[in-house]
Amino acid sequence: DAGVIQSPRHEVTEMGQEVTLRCKPISGHNSLFWYRQTMMRGLELLIYFNNNVPIDDSGMPEDRFSAKMPNASFSTLKIQPSEPRDSAVYFCASSHPQRGGWDTQYFGPGTRLTVL
Amino acid sequence: QKEVEQDPGPLSVPEGAIVSLNCTYSNSAFQYFMWYRQYSRKGPELLMYTYSSGNKEDGRFTAQVDKSSKYISLFIRDSQPSDSATYLCAMTTGSGYSTLTFGKGTMLLVSP
Repeated sequence: DAGVIQSPRHEVTEMGQEVTLRCKPISGHNSLFWYRQTMMRGLELLIYFNNNVPIDDSGMPEDRFSAKMPNASFSTLKIQPSEPRDSAVYFCASSHPQRGGWDTQYFGPGTRLTVL
Repeated sequence: QKEVEQDPGPLSVPEGAIVSLNCTYSNSAFQYFMWYRQYSRKGPELLMYTYSSGNKEDGRFTAQVDKSSKYISLFIRDSQPSDSATYLCAMTTGSGYSTLTFGKGTMLLVSP
């Protein structure tokens, strides 16, 4: 069974450009998470979808960030316009909560974003 | 004060050593406690989880939770070079649409 798939794996762009990160969760999982990881701040939750509906977007840093989940098998995280401080590794994770609202999150390989 | 505190390391030990990794937290509502392992340039993967207080053992790994002290630990016995990775603690209340709160991770280096 394929794990969480993310694309692209690496992205280098210039400040001001639009960046779109893509995620395909594990089939059958109904929860999807976008995280950002940096040395300074660690792993931060950006947004959480359940059954394709955004449940918690309090971690989205500002209006330049947006996320969508048009169906159960696809999600995007968009940054427009991008800034150098957005440089980080972005992870997508999925889960299928069964135990009192929590279950194992399976992480994708991440997208390493560099904004010049 | 951050919700979850974790020493970033690096922690360097020789092969065969016993390793102790720790996190402290401030939210007394946390009920589920997890340890994720992250190899370089990979995504985190769940290593162990514990519900509420107590110990849980899985092979060379033991997870401990002390809710009265708001302190959790992961012990690795007979450490191997393949254990070299970053270990992140994570925790959640487990209620409703609760999410995971992660520590920043401790980098562990096990030398042969």
